[in-house]
Amino acid sequence: SQQGEEDPQALSIQEGENATMNCSYKTSINNLQWYRQNSGRGLVHLILIRSNEREKHSGRLRVTLDTSKKSSSLLITASRAADTASYFCATERSLGTYKYIFGTGTRLKVLA
Amino acid sequence: DTEVTQTPKHLVMGMTNKKSLKCEQHMGHRAMYWYKQKAKKPPELMFVYSYEKLSINESVPSRFSPECPNSSLLNLHLHALQPEDSALYLCASSQRRSGEYQETQYFGPGTRLLVL
Repeated sequence: SQQGEEDPQALSIQEGENATMNCSYKTSINNLQWYRQNSGRGLVHLILIRSNEREKHSGRLRVTLDTSKKSSSLLITASRAADTASYFCATERSLGTYKYIFGTGTRLKVLA
Repeated sequence: DTEVTQTPKHLVMGMTNKKSLKCEQHMGHRAMYWYKQKAKKPPELMFVYSYEKLSINESVPSRFSPECPNSSLLNLHLHALQPEDSALYLCASSQRRSGEYQETQYFGPGTRLLVL
């Protein structure tokens, strides 16, 4: 099964609204990253949150991390049509073999 | 320069062909990665090179053969592929691979491969 499971799988909102997507993972992690992928293209790094951090901000992005629940959320405020993309969380296991695993992804559509 | 480039952008090949995908970065990164991504799925790690040496092979079939000629270049040689190998192949690089903390990976735009 996936190290990271994201929900919702798909999200459709109006421009200006906030979008929240969640990521759950199974094993201990060093930190967690969020990436964006526009249709059929490469991934763009958005934000990294370390395992000893609980919340991080970058522009319109807010990421939280709850290591006790093994979950993270990404909030995009005041969404724009250009935010339409797939969003993936990525984790690296802190024990055992190095493995960088992406979550299942949330497909966000922002309607103008 | 924070760019990872990949060529070609698109590739169509028959099951008997031999082709290569190329990836290049000039950020001084010493870790490079190949991922395979099917439609509406997350990227799946295939190979990791650390300091030009193969450090991880995620049980990838031998019809995929990676090569790292130097610290800036990463190739993926393809031979006798199957139609199910059709996917977006992504290359990424990071400053170094570390077991202590996660490095941000920088991705190329990908090569869209179709195997007929």
